[in-house]
Amino acid sequence: QKEVEQDPGPLSVPEGAIVSLNCTYSNSAFQYFMWYRQYSRKGPELLMYTYSSGNKEDGRFTAQVDKSSKYISLFIRDSQPSDSATYLCAMSTGGSYIPTFGRGTSLIVHP
Amino acid sequence: EAQVTQNPRYLITVTGKKLTVTCSQNMNHEYMSWYRQDPGLGLRQIYYSMNVEVTDKGDVPEGYKVSRKEKRNFPLILESPSPNQTSLYFCASSFMRASTDTQYFGPGTRLTVL
Repeated sequence: QKEVEQDPGPLSVPEGAIVSLNCTYSNSAFQYFMWYRQYSRKGPELLMYTYSSGNKEDGRFTAQVDKSSKYISLFIRDSQPSDSATYLCAMSTGGSYIPTFGRGTSLIVHP
Repeated sequence: EAQVTQNPRYLITVTGKKLTVTCSQNMNHEYMSWYRQDPGLGLRQIYYSMNVEVTDKGDVPEGYKVSRKEKRNFPLILESPSPNQTSLYFCASSFMRASTDTQYFGPGTRLTVL
């Protein structure tokens, strides 16, 4: 079993939909949880990060962490075609600066 | 402009011909790393460096070498490339003040080994 599991998709939604992207993990030592966005032919860029459990909101994006279930989510409200990209979750322990990445979920938002 | 640069962006080579992919960052970051990205496998770390002259293996180091002689540069060396090293390679860098420090990724190098 991989440490971080993420459905590769693709996930195709109409413009304006609420998108839910998810990752599960097995290492209970993970404390820092990140979401990266990667456009085609580009490197990943950090979108959001959260520490431990709880929610964090930034504009149309909400990151949620449930450590008891070892489950993290990224919600995108009012999705736009410009949100079409691959979204990678990543997580790390408190003592390590080395994140473990999920495989990424390909999101397609069609007009 | 703060950035991570990689060269070349695209490279086609043949089995066994040594090559180097350069990586440079202008943000004075201590931490630098190399990843490869393959369909269905996601990002896998090859090597990382926490500072000058300090390097360590990641998850998939076989067939690769690195060096960190200067803080800004972290070249990836393939001494004898093989077709299974055909992949998309990313260099990344960050500060090491906290685990939440953002990793900045380069634009990627697409390598094909024939």
